[in-house]
Amino acid sequence: EAQVTQNPRYLITVTGKKLTVTCSQNMNHEYMSWYRQDPGLGLRQIYYSMNVEVTDKGDVPEGYKVSRKEKRNFPLILESPSPNQTSLYFCASSLSSSGGAFYNEQFFGPGTRLTVL
Amino acid sequence: EDQVTQSPEALRLQEGESSSLNCSYTVSGLRGLFWYRQDPGKGPEFLFTLYSAGEEKEKERLKATLTKKESFLHITAPKPEDSATYLCAVQAKGGGTSYGKLTFGQGTILTVHP
Repeated sequence: EAQVTQNPRYLITVTGKKLTVTCSQNMNHEYMSWYRQDPGLGLRQIYYSMNVEVTDKGDVPEGYKVSRKEKRNFPLILESPSPNQTSLYFCASSLSSSGGAFYNEQFFGPGTRLTVL
Repeated sequence: EDQVTQSPEALRLQEGESSSLNCSYTVSGLRGLFWYRQDPGKGPEFLFTLYSAGEEKEKERLKATLTKKESFLHITAPKPEDSATYLCAVQAKGGGTSYGKLTFGQGTILTVHP
């Protein structure tokens, strides 16, 4: 089954304790992206990756890191989480076309609900 | 800076009562506009991509249209199962890898009563 998986689905942690949220897709997609969703603010892009070893900042990258060493995986790293990073996080992937100039539908993962105390 | 504004924030309809959702956008050259549906507790699900003004796409009771400043999602004779949050997003033209950036609106929460 074609899918995007995220782990963990739920996480409660404390301020300053490094954590990683994993994201994996089995569709051989070039493009992957991370979003956070907060009430009243909608979905905001954190980082995205056009392909292996190619990453770029979205609108809200502060406090987050990413890496893309393999095509299928795109982990999100919070090196020193703070309470304002409490949110619902989504990973997504997409095929790109025309050398990456266009991409089509994004497939979203089920989400990771993170609480930082 | 790219901006996307959706209206209304919430819309309540009776089953069969057709209506439209609006997505106004400001981008420095539009590469694509996307509509997604999101059910509570789940990730967004793709509906449509529109690339140029005048383009229209349909799927069951939904029809998306695009002008140079806004997009509409028309819902004809909605059913309770159409209840969801509808999200609009834009991809702008840009150099390098900047065209990977995607900006979402805040969404419209649609409730259809039987």
